[in-house]
Amino acid sequence: GAGVSQSPRYKVAKRGQDVALRCDPISGHVSLFWYQQALGQGPEFLTYFQNEAQLDKSGLPSDRFFAERPEGSVSTLKIQRTQQEDSAVYLCASSPLAGGPVLDTQYFGPGTRLTVL
Amino acid sequence: KQEVTQIPAALSVPEGENLVLNCSFTDSAIYNLQWFRQDPGKGLTSLLLIQSSQREQTSGRLNASLDKSSGRSTLYIAASQPGDSATYLCAISSNTGKLIFGQGTTLQVKP
Repeated sequence: GAGVSQSPRYKVAKRGQDVALRCDPISGHVSLFWYQQALGQGPEFLTYFQNEAQLDKSGLPSDRFFAERPEGSVSTLKIQRTQQEDSAVYLCASSPLAGGPVLDTQYFGPGTRLTVL
Repeated sequence: KQEVTQIPAALSVPEGENLVLNCSFTDSAIYNLQWFRQDPGKGLTSLLLIQSSQREQTSGRLNASLDKSSGRSTLYIAASQPGDSATYLCAISSNTGKLIFGQGTTLQVKP
């Protein structure tokens, strides 16, 4: 498959547990974005990587959220001590271009639906 | 701070109707605007991308327009079909590439 893949597709966590969400971008794509989508809302930006460098993490809601992309390909979004308000769909997107105004679209994965009980 | 609003939040139409979805934004200094489609349980699919210097883009039965001065974009869907049922999202691209989304319009086309 040539698309963006995410795993797991569904995750149920008890409040206080740590979770790790994985994103496999399209091979060779330079840029990688994470978004959070609450029920009935549009996605909201979390963080942006250009290769392995995290250039923008202004959207991360708290220091419980951490993202990495150590080799410039696969990325992991980690949420520590999950809270009920963290329940959402987490979307990953990749783009072939480096940062700056997007001249090409971002390609989105199917998302991971996180439910915190 | 850029804010994006979509009206209506939900829309139900009979098959064959032409329809318009609206998107408004508060800061006219945009780089481009995109319309996406989202099906339940799936990711977003880009439909149309309008560069800031462009006024409209067309793809098949879809036409998107952009008026930066008034802070508005519309997505026109001609001869709607049940397969068009989905949530439609508009998004503004910032200078760093991140997308700022509206809350979406959920469209149902009834056979």
